[in-house]
Amino acid sequence: GDSVTQMEGPVTLSEEAFLTINCTYTATGYPSLFWYVQYPGEGLQLLLKATKADDKGSNKGFEATYRKETTSFHLEKGSVQVSDSAVYFCALQAGTALIFGKGTTLSVSS
Amino acid sequence: NAGVTQTPKFRVLKTGQSMTLLCAQDMNHEYMYWYRQDPGMGLRLIHYSVGEGTTAKGEVPDGYNVSRLKKQNFLLGLESAAPSQTSVYFCASSPHRDRDLEQYFGPGTRLTVT
Repeated sequence: GDSVTQMEGPVTLSEEAFLTINCTYTATGYPSLFWYVQYPGEGLQLLLKATKADDKGSNKGFEATYRKETTSFHLEKGSVQVSDSAVYFCALQAGTALIFGKGTTLSVSS
Repeated sequence: NAGVTQTPKFRVLKTGQSMTLLCAQDMNHEYMYWYRQDPGMGLRLIHYSVGEGTTAKGEVPDGYNVSRLKKQNFLLGLESAAPSQTSVYFCASSPHRDRDLEQYFGPGTRLTVT
């Protein structure tokens, strides 16, 4: 069945460091792909998305490109801030539902 | 717009007790979902609904029941709570789009079963 695999965390960075969180997927066809972010004590909120191959989603300095050749959707940010500390989830659309990865915790220190 | 709201925010139950979690959305979304979030497990889909009066099982439906009598509400019931149901429960809703199933999440309900 369809699945999403994310790099295990936690990821610990200093402020202004470069961030990459890896996400690969297994699916039939070319599903839409999403990154969600969860701040402490809150629900998930959409960070960015891509609905077809080679699309680049971007928001708040984060970017991810839909790579069908490598079945990947890695999340990147050039310079992280303390306020980016959160849990990040990669997800793919499977019919009328989303399948989520297990989440990657990012901790940024000043 | 309030978005997606969940009631209650916290609850402690004893084993064998029952309860209902309420989810409400004011965005006129067709689809609604219930997830549970456990450490190291990510989000797992319990049940979902693609329209008023319809429900379907997700990945982990055992021990839960749901109802969608009104389009804006989605109820999750636990008939006989067990410690394994201690978790954080999230409700989400989504408009009906073929290739863009962006989901909007509520703030969560933290349930402890002792």
